[in-house]
Amino acid sequence: NAGVTQTPKFQVLKTGQSMTLQCAQDMNHEYMSWYRQDPGMGLRLIHYSVGAGITDQGEVPNGYNVSRSTTEDFPLRLLSAAPSQTSVYFCASSYSKQGPLNEQYFGPGTRLTVT
Amino acid sequence: QQPVQSPQAVILREGEDAVINCSSSKALYSVHWYRQKHGEAPIFLMILLKGGEQKGHDKISASFNEKKQQSSLYLTASQLSYSGTYFCGTEPRTGAGSYQLTFGKGTKLSVIP
Repeated sequence: NAGVTQTPKFQVLKTGQSMTLQCAQDMNHEYMSWYRQDPGMGLRLIHYSVGAGITDQGEVPNGYNVSRSTTEDFPLRLLSAAPSQTSVYFCASSYSKQGPLNEQYFGPGTRLTVT
Repeated sequence: QQPVQSPQAVILREGEDAVINCSSSKALYSVHWYRQKHGEAPIFLMILLKGGEQKGHDKISASFNEKKQQSSLYLTASQLSYSGTYFCGTEPRTGAGSYQLTFGKGTKLSVIP
């Protein structure tokens, strides 16, 4: 199993550009999530999904869109990049059908710089 | 609201013990602990559900006081490999499960020979 994969590993954008961060998992996990990590801030939840066709907002959703058309893929779209979105982005997945969240498996991360 | 972790940083010599605390202002369903090494993804350590103490792997264990909404991570006889930043993540207690983890800002642990 590849686990959770993310592409690209690094990206530089200019202010106002749009892009999609890709995330895929091959563990048949229902739950997937996107976090951003900034120095000294820990991990903050952007969006999450409990299954194909179902997404919801996390703590810091503004400026980001998601969709979940398949169980495997959960792309994160930046609509109009801003310098404040410079961060490391992690995708994670978990077998969580109901009840409390289970162990999350994190991808290797995408380091995004917006100039 | 982010849970509060303490201490922010700690330096240990090999073989010493450490305790990392995590405190929330909300009623909690679960507390999760992760470790992250520099430049890498966070790695799961353990989950604590209300009413339980779960022992993790190696010499790392944790407790959860659901009345105080506090959790503590215990690292005994620390090894060099324990170095990294430890994060607690809290899931609030809601009717159907919130599916949202809120992470603390982390505790940086450095183990030196």
